[in-house]
Amino acid sequence: DQQVKQNSPSLSVQEGRISILNCDYTNSMFDYFLWYKKYPAEGPTFLISISSIKDKNEDGRFTVFLNKSAKHLSLHIVPSQPGDSAVYFCAASLPSGTYKYIFGTGTRLKVLA
Amino acid sequence: NAGVTQTPKFQVLKTGQSMTLQCAQDMNHNSMYWYRQDPGMGLRLIYYSASEGTTDKGEVPNGYNVSRLNKREFSLRLESAAPSQTSVYFCASTRGQGATEAFFGQGTRLTVV
Repeated sequence: DQQVKQNSPSLSVQEGRISILNCDYTNSMFDYFLWYKKYPAEGPTFLISISSIKDKNEDGRFTVFLNKSAKHLSLHIVPSQPGDSAVYFCAASLPSGTYKYIFGTGTRLKVLA
Repeated sequence: NAGVTQTPKFQVLKTGQSMTLQCAQDMNHNSMYWYRQDPGMGLRLIYYSASEGTTDKGEVPNGYNVSRLNKREFSLRLESAAPSQTSVYFCASTRGQGATEAFFGQGTRLTVV
């Protein structure tokens, strides 16, 4: 049973508009959430994270929102750029000491010029 | 600035052959991980090493063995490759000591025929 779910396999957005990528999770013990970006033939690279004690974290064009009651997080990219076209994975971490990161299945974002 | 280095980048094996995937990190990280990525499945944890001298099973350990050779190196061995092990393999590392971002290698694309 998948503990971290990304239900949208793909998303297309016009350049300059907002991209919203969603992620749902089932395990209330997760205490840290991360977003990774992956280009073809490369390893994932860290984008942004949020602790479970917060509900928002912002870094430039990227903002992550966490709704613990709904067990839902989202990544907002504003404005979207063609270079943002990639696969985005959300990941969740169990409390310190377990060292396990659970990844979602990914959402392929295409930003149209 | 090498980060996490994986070798080889590509490999084709015949069913029943063995091989070792190598991973080394130069960031003085404590924890290292092996993931596999399959279409529609996201990244799944095979094995991890919380610190030098320790290894633990992840979500999909069957058919694999690992060795944490020293703090820098963490290898993944397939003793008798099967077509189901055709995948892209990623090595990652983290500082450990709680949830922190993972740094990934560029991946090894393995095909078992």
